[in-house]
Amino acid sequence: AQSVTQLDSQVPVFEEAPVELRCNYSSSVSVYLFWYVQYPNQGLQLLLKYLSGSTLVKGINGFEAEFNKSQTSFHLRKPSVHISDTAEYFCAVSNFGNEKLTFGTGTRLTIIP
Amino acid sequence: NAGVMQNPRHLVRRRGQEARLRCSPMKGHSHVYWYRQLPEEGLKFMVYLQKENIIDESGMPKERFSAEFPKEGPSILRIQQVVRGDSAAYFCASSPDGSIYGYTFGSGTRLTVV
Repeated sequence: AQSVTQLDSQVPVFEEAPVELRCNYSSSVSVYLFWYVQYPNQGLQLLLKYLSGSTLVKGINGFEAEFNKSQTSFHLRKPSVHISDTAEYFCAVSNFGNEKLTFGTGTRLTIIP
Repeated sequence: NAGVMQNPRHLVRRRGQEARLRCSPMKGHSHVYWYRQLPEEGLKFMVYLQKENIIDESGMPKERFSAEFPKEGPSILRIQQVVRGDSAAYFCASSPDGSIYGYTFGSGTRLTVV
């Protein structure tokens, strides 16, 4: 069985400051990794995904994440946040050949003007 | 090119009533997944369907919940005799070929049981 841990349930950050949202996973097999963003009362939008290849993945809206296999982590970063980044962020994992996503409990990012 | 369409966006049901949630996948997508998001929690997988077939229902509660994806028309998630604990956001995702590469989520149906 696989699981995803997002240690920070809420992260307040000042506007234009950098941010890192942490994600750790556990799985006995190779995985695909994802970050999704959910704006209030909306569905999930894919920010970025790691399938294979380069461990540094760039996504939309200036976000990037780095896959670290030895630490089983996939932390999300942005060098300078904006008010519009206020949202809930979910890390998710899927095993090779498995269509199901396992989600973390989410991190609520609040941008302080 | 419309995305994954879910309706209704909001649904209020009294305890004991039935709830029907609809999901129309993206054009060309024949694989549908349902997830449930309880308050303050992440999404949890419920069921995976292809046209006329249930592929994986390992996340579905054993009673009162059912899902279908007929040859024609949207996928339906049906909850019979709803209880307060069924209050949640229900999201549908579709994919063209069953892989997670092409996963696209709808905006969800927010079910409130009163």
